[in-house]
Amino acid sequence: GQSLEQPSEVTAVEGAIVQINCTYQTSGFYGLSWYQQHDGGAPTFLSYNALDGLEETGRFSSFLSRSDSYGYLLLQELQMKDSASYFCAVIITGGGNKLTFGTGTQLKVEL
Amino acid sequence: EPEVTQTPSHQVTQMGQEVILRCVPISNHLYFYWYRQILGQKVEFLVSFYNNEISEKSEIFDDQFSVERPDGSNFTLKIRSTKLEDSAMYFCASSAGQGIEKLFFGSGTQLSVL
Repeated sequence: GQSLEQPSEVTAVEGAIVQINCTYQTSGFYGLSWYQQHDGGAPTFLSYNALDGLEETGRFSSFLSRSDSYGYLLLQELQMKDSASYFCAVIITGGGNKLTFGTGTQLKVEL
Repeated sequence: EPEVTQTPSHQVTQMGQEVILRCVPISNHLYFYWYRQILGQKVEFLVSFYNNEISEKSEIFDDQFSVERPDGSNFTLKIRSTKLEDSAMYFCASSAGQGIEKLFFGSGTQLSVL
């Protein structure tokens, strides 16, 4: 089977940097995506890693270490609007067309 | 920017009734998906659909569920006989190709089974 673990909650202050970790256990790992979801609304794609290393997209970056089965999402210059749930999601080879989501991390940004 | 649209936004039904949730994926996308999310929980995969066929389905997607692309634009999820535990937010998603790392989600249909 597969498992993805994320912290359930993270709190940080406006302007700070926060890192949301994701560890996974799955066979046939292909890549890791990150999604943002505000208050039960539509999940929105943020970033994707298929190879080891850092992918940067504006204030958001994502990192992957395949050997450690670990990735993280880094949010810089936090803003109040970044308060949301963040999900990591894995793609596995031979798994057909599906993205399997983790349990999500609720990020609270405070003044 | 193109978007996935879902109707209705809310659906209330009685247990045992049939419901059809509707989605219009992004027009040039080829792969379509249904996910659901029970309040406060993770987003769960139900089914993926390509070339008028189901390409993958989860254990949740049992005989009570079916999907259809009745015309060139709509993609529907039917639940034949709803159960209380089917109450959830149902999200439709689409992707341009086999790059399923980036799915475009609709705003969801909140299904409440009474």
